[in-house]
Amino acid sequence: HSVLTQPPSVSGAPGQRVTISCTGSSSNIGAGYDVHWYQQLPGTAPKLLMYSNNNRPSGVPDRFSGSKSGTSASLAITGLQAEDEADYYCQSFDTRLSARVFGGGTKVTVL
Amino acid sequence: VQLEESGGGVVQPGRSLRLSCAASGFTFSSYSVHWVRQAPGKGLEWVALISYDGSKKYYADSVKGRFTISRDNSKSTLYLEMNSLRIEDTAVYYCVRAPTTGHSSSWEWFGPWGQGTLVTVSS
Repeated sequence: HSVLTQPPSVSGAPGQRVTISCTGSSSNIGAGYDVHWYQQLPGTAPKLLMYSNNNRPSGVPDRFSGSKSGTSASLAITGLQAEDEADYYCQSFDTRLSARVFGGGTKVTVL
Repeated sequence: VQLEESGGGVVQPGRSLRLSCAASGFTFSSYSVHWVRQAPGKGLEWVALISYDGSKKYYADSVKGRFTISRDNSKSTLYLEMNSLRIEDTAVYYCVRAPTTGHSSSWEWFGPWGQGTLVTVSS
């Protein structure tokens, strides 16, 4: 059971837009802590995809965007490509646990 | 930036294991470093954090009292001493650097990741 809740899977056809939600509570996202996103391609280590809600590290395509509101955040992928097929994790900080926490992960499938 | 974990393997429940993470390509002594684990087919779980100078250490409740994080800045190496291992500790353990120098803030994200080392706890 993860502190942050993500849908287990989302899918879309090439070129479509998909969104991944990340729902927290008043002790993490709702407390004002930033949300970060990681992409994990099959068989590899996670890689930073978005930091501080809506900032893309160098090299991440602008097809990826992030937002945060209240106790939730979301990651959007526009112009979905085959190479985007991966697991995506949101992450924040929880004051009650005094720990960095992750969502359970969302598997993105390109149809 | 390179982080190379080692020391994983198969161990019986209740036994101990020490993981290492050799860092290169950056000034290791300037950065805080984490251990993050991932059980087979499962999500990510933060395990522990050590500050750049080793003065501050933080642990997840699930490992507190059993795991010890440490570092040797003269060797650019991070360690995780794991005692009283349980079956649920089975996971790939990743060494992850903080994104900025100095003490790691709770607002921060995880920076560069190593490729991980698999620990299997089984009788």
